[in-house]
Amino acid sequence: DQQVKQNSPSLSVQEGRISILNCDYTNSMFDYFLWYKKYPAEGPTFLISISSIKDKNEDGRFTVFLNKSAKHLSLHIVPSQPGDSAVYFCASRGTGTASKLTFGTGTRLQVTL
Amino acid sequence: DAGVTQSPTHLIKTRGQQVTLRCSPKSGHDTVSWYQQALGQGPQFIFQYYEEEERQRGNFPDRFSGHQFPNYSSELNVNALLLGDSALYLCASSLVGQRFTGANVLTFGAGSRLTVL
Repeated sequence: DQQVKQNSPSLSVQEGRISILNCDYTNSMFDYFLWYKKYPAEGPTFLISISSIKDKNEDGRFTVFLNKSAKHLSLHIVPSQPGDSAVYFCASRGTGTASKLTFGTGTRLQVTL
Repeated sequence: DAGVTQSPTHLIKTRGQQVTLRCSPKSGHDTVSWYQQALGQGPQFIFQYYEEEERQRGNFPDRFSGHQFPNYSSELNVNALLLGDSALYLCASSLVGQRFTGANVLTFGAGSRLTVL
């Protein structure tokens, strides 16, 4: 039972344009949603998060939107830069589950010149 | 400030063997979690150790076991290796009691890539 889904395995965007990465979840008990970025041969690094009581969180070029009724969240990167090329994982945390995160399968973003 | 360090970075084993992976948490962290990332998949939670005890466990068989030492470092042991155990094993550390902000939830190491032949 895959509780967090990223249906697009890859995405290619031109430098300077907007990148939109999507994530769907099924468990209404998730209280926090996070995005991690992963480069080859490195561990995932935290990018941005959003509480389930919010609908938007912004940090510089990165904005995460949460639509609870649709159980959907998205990560917007504007403007996209070549250094953003990486695999992006959506993750969620269940209420009271400490550091146990449920990850999606990831979306590989390629930002082209 | 040292982050999470894992060893070895790569290793190859054969079916039926046993493997031990090691993790040193980020300085100041007291909790270690282990995740398995199979090819093309996202990381899957194996278990979490705090105060030298297993506190939470994911959907993994008893062949997967762990240990946490007084200095907070941790080991992951896998017995009777199967081909399907081939994966990147990620260690992540955190600090219990911190107010959750998202950013402080987990700091990951680069992982140990296990290949089972």
